[in-house]
Amino acid sequence: AQSVTQLGSHVSVSEGALVLLRCNYSSSVPPYLFWYVQYPNQGLQLLLKYTTGATLVKGINGFEAEFKKSETSFHLTKPSAHMSDAAEYFCAVSLMDSSYKLIFGSGTRLLVRP
Amino acid sequence: KAGVTQTPRYLIKTRGQQVTLSCSPISGHRSVSWYQQTPGQGLQFLFEYFSETQRNKGNFPGRFSGRQFSNSRSEMNVSTLELGDSALYLCASSLGEAHDEQYFGPGTRLTVT
Repeated sequence: AQSVTQLGSHVSVSEGALVLLRCNYSSSVPPYLFWYVQYPNQGLQLLLKYTTGATLVKGINGFEAEFKKSETSFHLTKPSAHMSDAAEYFCAVSLMDSSYKLIFGSGTRLLVRP
Repeated sequence: KAGVTQTPRYLIKTRGQQVTLSCSPISGHRSVSWYQQTPGQGLQFLFEYFSETQRNKGNFPGRFSGRQFSNSRSEMNVSTLELGDSALYLCASSLGEAHDEQYFGPGTRLTVT
């Protein structure tokens, strides 16, 4: 069965430091991969998605993620954290079998220290 | 273009009651999906509707049901509420092709007492 694992329920970084949020997936078929962000009392906002083609995907707000098939990973990075990046981040997978649902990881809360 | 709207935003119900939540998708979107978000179980897929037909369903009991109208607006209903149904219910809309980006609404916070 397909699943998504996010390592680290909480990640704390200093403002200006590198942000690295980890995501690994398990799937018997090639997946589509997504990163969403959720701010308090709000819904989810799409940061970026991987479908096919280029494995390095650039998203909004300076975030990017790299699909590594050999490692079944899709880690999210941002070179320099900003206070406004503090939120919860969710990795999600949708399968290439025409699935219409997203399977989410458990989320990582990013804390940004001044 | 207006985003996904959900009503009401907050709801308090008593065990045993039923509740109906509403979702209006982005104009032109024909697919509406529902998710339940809880601290313990995280984000879980409930069901997805496209052109008034349920295309996919998650592993939830039959107390959870939904429907979609001809204008793509969707409702979900939970009957015989249990304390464990307390959650944030998120609706997402998309154009309806597989793997399309899903755009989420702000959610309805349901509290069951």
